[in-house]
Amino acid sequence: DTEVTQTPKHLVMGMTNKKSLKCEQHMGHRAMYWYKQKAKKPPELMFVYSYEKLSINESVPSRFSPECPNSSLLNLHLHALQPEDSALYLCASSQIFRTEAFFGQGTRLTVV
Amino acid sequence: DAKTTQPNSMESNEEEPVHLPCNHSTISGTDYIHWYRQLPSQGPEYVIHGLTSNVNNRMASLAIAEDRKSSTLILHRATLRDAAVYYCILRDLQGRGGGADGLTFGKGTHLIIQP
Repeated sequence: DTEVTQTPKHLVMGMTNKKSLKCEQHMGHRAMYWYKQKAKKPPELMFVYSYEKLSINESVPSRFSPECPNSSLLNLHLHALQPEDSALYLCASSQIFRTEAFFGQGTRLTVV
Repeated sequence: DAKTTQPNSMESNEEEPVHLPCNHSTISGTDYIHWYRQLPSQGPEYVIHGLTSNVNNRMASLAIAEDRKSSTLILHRATLRDAAVYYCILRDLQGRGGGADGLTFGKGTHLIIQP
């Protein structure tokens, strides 16, 4: 199983809503990542978890709150988002010190 | 981080080889050269990586210049399914994050395949 599964595939939320994005992998990878991708732009790194601990936060606003409850799951909690946060949110995983990262298909988020 | 420079777009014909260049003149000795691609409406996909020697796998070949300041991704026989944005990324696996530092994507090359 070389899949990273993200749910939901699409999400529309209001600026006062609270929602969560979910990411799951069963490859035994101990590094997991969140990226944000605006239309026609490259992905941008948001967070890195290493051994279930947050190791890198790329100065992401606090309205994005990541969580890694176990080695297979990664969540991104969303609260009080702005319309400019509308984007494709990508999850990825990899082995520590290994080069190949596996990406999910992403969650397309629209904030209204 | 060392940066990469790629052409914005390239066009090729189906069933012909494609050579995608990447310049990385400020590469450090511990930087690995990675290539990922992103097909329309999908997440990025690993293609190949190398350090100093040329590399081959089932998807592509990677030719690395002797001074490591440039590299070329070679698709030996392009198909319509190879139409994607190709990203050349430098990554120091001994860098920050203790072996899990994420990928820094540049703008990439948009590869167009003509039938």
